[in-house]
This record gives sequence, C-alpha cells and structure tokens, in this order.
Amino acid sequence: QSALTQPASVSGSPGQSITISCTGTTNDIGGYNYVSWYQQHPGKAPKLMIYDVSDRPSGVSNRFSGSKSGNTASLTISGLQAEDEADYYCSSYTSSSTLDVVFGGGTKLTVL
Amino acid sequence: EVQLVESGGGLVKPGGSLRLSCVASGFTFSTYSMNWVRQAPGKGLEWVSCISFRSNYINYVDSVKGRFIISRDNAKNSVFLLMNSLRAEDTAVYYCARDAGNYGANRRAFDFWGPGTMVSVSS
Repeated sequence: QSALTQPASVSGSPGQSITISCTGTTNDIGGYNYVSWYQQHPGKAPKLMIYDVSDRPSGVSNRFSGSKSGNTASLTISGLQAEDEADYYCSSYTSSSTLDVVFGGGTKLTVL
Repeated sequence: EVQLVESGGGLVKPGGSLRLSCVASGFTFSTYSMNWVRQAPGKGLEWVSCISFRSNYINYVDSVKGRFIISRDNAKNSVFLLMNSLRAEDTAVYYCARDAGNYGANRRAFDFWGPGTMVSVSS
C-alpha cells in the first residue's frame, strides 16, 4: 500500500480539464510544501512537472498546475491534449525517520 | 545538457549482489544530492535511497536498510548503489535522480532522471 493515495485512473476529452488528487497526512503533504508531480510515459523515465506544491520547472507547459489544501494535493491539467495521456505520480517529503520521500500509487490518465 | 546514465543492472540469483553506477554530466555534480528510485514491473515508483552532496546525510527505505549501501565520488561525477542479499522483491528498474535543490537546499523533487537500469532477481 502506497503512503500517498491517488485515484487509479482518470479520463477526459481533448480540451477539457482534469484534476488528480493525492492524499497524505500531516507527516507529509499536510506538514510541508515539498509536494511534487511526475509524468511518466510507457517505457520512459519520469518527468518532473510540478515541485514545491505549485512551481513549474522551466519548459513545462502552464497547462499544468498544482495546489494543496490540508493533507491533499492536486494536479490540474487544462486544455487536455493527446500527449498528456500518461501515468502521473505525486510525491512528498515525509518526516518519517525511515523515509525521505513518499510516492503515490500513480494515476493513469486517459485522453478519450 | 544535464545527463544521468545508469549501469550495472542484470540478472542475479537471490542472495547475490550487484553494484549500480550512475554517471552525471552537464552540471556541477558535487553540489547536488542524489537519489535512487525504483519501479517494479507494472508498479509505481518507490524511493530507495539518498545521499547529500557532501555524503554527510544518507538515508534508505526500510526494506533495503542493512542490505544496500549508497555512495558517491564527486571527482568522478558518480553515485553508486551496492545491493547485497538481493531478494525477488528487489526486481525493478532502478533510476538515478537528481534533487532539484543544491548546496543542501534539498527540495525532495527530482528534476533529472536517468533512463534506468533493470535489476532482475531470480533463480
């Protein structure tokens, strides 16, 4: 069982917006602003899309945005495009003494 | 251009050992913390280990503590993962990943990843 909880799948049509949630605890998402989101296409390495809850690395489309409320973080993708179809993972710093970073189980985004 | 390239994966019997290497280029390696993240076939991402830029902070996920050892050689722009007493559940693609913050300002966000190296543990 993953430390952070994500829906297994979400879907949307081209041009629509979707939101992926990521729920943790006060020991990770709720306690720190070190939430990140990654996009992973099949057979490829993950790509950082959002860090520090809502910051975008250089080169990442502004169609991707992040937010946090309490113990839940969210990734919103607006203006869905076919190439957005991928797996998305959230992660957070954790104050657990046995971990530095925890990941969510991943969400498969299907563009209909 | 930042590049990370892993090597050292392969097929090993349970109880065996492997040493993974990751060579970095395109940035000042000695100022960034580095991490290993793994992904079992068809499964999600799992953080495995991290080492600070001066090697004075090291941590591991519980399931590999006492079996895996992370190290780095800043003169050779390399980070390593020595994996001992390997188990079937260690089978995964192992990625080397750079922390997005430097000089100890770790963000626990991984901004560059290698293509990964596959480790298979089976008799």
